[in-house]
Amino acid sequence: DSGVTQTPKHLITATGQRVTLRCSPRSGDLSVYWYQQSLDQGLQFLIQYYNGEERAKGNILERFSAQQFPDLHSELNLSSLELGDSALYFCASSVVGSEQFFGPGTRLTVL
Amino acid sequence: GEDVEQSLFLSVREGDSSVINCTYTDSSSTYLYWYKQEPGAGLQLLTYIFSNMDMKQDQRLTVLLNKKDKHLSLRIADTQTGDSAIYFCAEHTDKLIFGTGTRLQVFP
Repeated sequence: DSGVTQTPKHLITATGQRVTLRCSPRSGDLSVYWYQQSLDQGLQFLIQYYNGEERAKGNILERFSAQQFPDLHSELNLSSLELGDSALYFCASSVVGSEQFFGPGTRLTVL
Repeated sequence: GEDVEQSLFLSVREGDSSVINCTYTDSSSTYLYWYKQEPGAGLQLLTYIFSNMDMKQDQRLTVLLNKKDKHLSLRIADTQTGDSAIYFCAEHTDKLIFGTGTRLQVFP
């Protein structure tokens, strides 16, 4: 158990819908990262937050957004969903500059 | 550019050593990591090496880093069936860039 929790574990929705994925980092970790893992794209970095502020951006679509709240939990919002958004979404947390600890992931299926 | 490559599959017999290779392109990497992903699970950090080190050993795991060739390897001694998983290397610059993953299959 990494100490990072993600909810829900599975999510099934339809094209065009909007979903919110939630992540709680390890106690004391200020940085939260979001990744997408799909068969064709592999594991891709989406975005990083540090203590509530956006720190780095990767291959995140404009339809996707994230935020980190004062209690340090983070949410990833995915809107106007397409079939190709079906993937595993991982959250990770770290003390800045050190190794990242990953949550168990949320499996999103878009039908 | 940032690119991390791994071979897709490796099959070994139980008790043998496994060597998983990785090449990366960004010479400014500060850390290089190895993660393990078991079916249906998240990524588990196995080990990491600082970019100024050549080797790191941690029980059955040995990491070798050739910075000149930008080549990283993970050796698993006495491979067990429980080691069957996908192994990802990752380089850390200002963010983590993951390789494509190597699926290790251990057969009896």
